[in-house]
Amino acid sequence: ETGVTQSPTHLIKTRGQQVTLRCSSQSGHNTVSWYQQALGQGPQFIFQYYREEENGRGNFPPRFSGLQFPNYSSELNVNALELDDSALYLCASSFRSGVTDTQYFGPGTRLTVL
Amino acid sequence: TQLLEQSPQFLSIQEGENLTVYCNSSSVFSSLQWYRQEPGEGPVLLVTVVTGGEVKKLKRLTFQFGDARKDSSLHITAAQPGDTGLYLCAGSKGWGKLQFGAGTQVVVTP
Repeated sequence: ETGVTQSPTHLIKTRGQQVTLRCSSQSGHNTVSWYQQALGQGPQFIFQYYREEENGRGNFPPRFSGLQFPNYSSELNVNALELDDSALYLCASSFRSGVTDTQYFGPGTRLTVL
Repeated sequence: TQLLEQSPQFLSIQEGENLTVYCNSSSVFSSLQWYRQEPGEGPVLLVTVVTGGEVKKLKRLTFQFGDARKDSSLHITAAQPGDTGLYLCAGSKGWGKLQFGAGTQVVVTP
C-alpha cells in the first residue's frame, strides 16, 4: 500500500454538474499530482501542486481546478461536467528532493458522467 | 497522443514462459518508472530507473534503461498468473508531469 487515499471510490454525475474529488497524500510527501485515465489509455497529467501552489499543468481546460492544503491533502474540482470527463481520476504524491520525482498513486476515483 | 510508445499492446502467455515489454520514445527522460495496474485500481510502482544503461532486477523482473535514456524494457522470467496486469511505463523530465505510455496488457494463464 502506498498510503495515498482517495474519496469517493465511485461517483455518478450528470452533464453540467460540478464535482470535487479528494486525495490524502502519503505521510511526509509535499507534492501531489492529478491524472485522468480514460478506458484503455494511460493516465494523462492534469496538474501538480507543490507547497500549495500549482506547479505545472497539462492540456486540460480551466474548468479543471485544484487545491492543496497545508496538510498536503488535495482536491480536484471539475465544473460543467461533460460526457468525456468520465474516467478514472488518480492522484499521486511524491517528495520533492534530488533529481527524481517518483510518484505513488492512490486507488483512484471512478467518475461516470451521464 | 502518447509520447511513449509501448509494445506489444497485448500479450497472452502460459505460466512459466518469459516475456518482454518495450517502451520507446524519441524524447530523452531524466528518469523512467514502471507501474503495474489492476482493473479499477491505481498504478503500483515497480521500479524507477535513472541512469542510461541501468539494469535493475526485482525478483523475476528485469528492467533496463536505454543508454540514451529514450527507451526501456521490462523482462519477466517464468511468468506466473500473479503477473497478470496492465504494465505502464512513465517518463519524467524532472519535476512535474509523468508522461505515460498506453500500457501493455499481460495475461498469464495457468
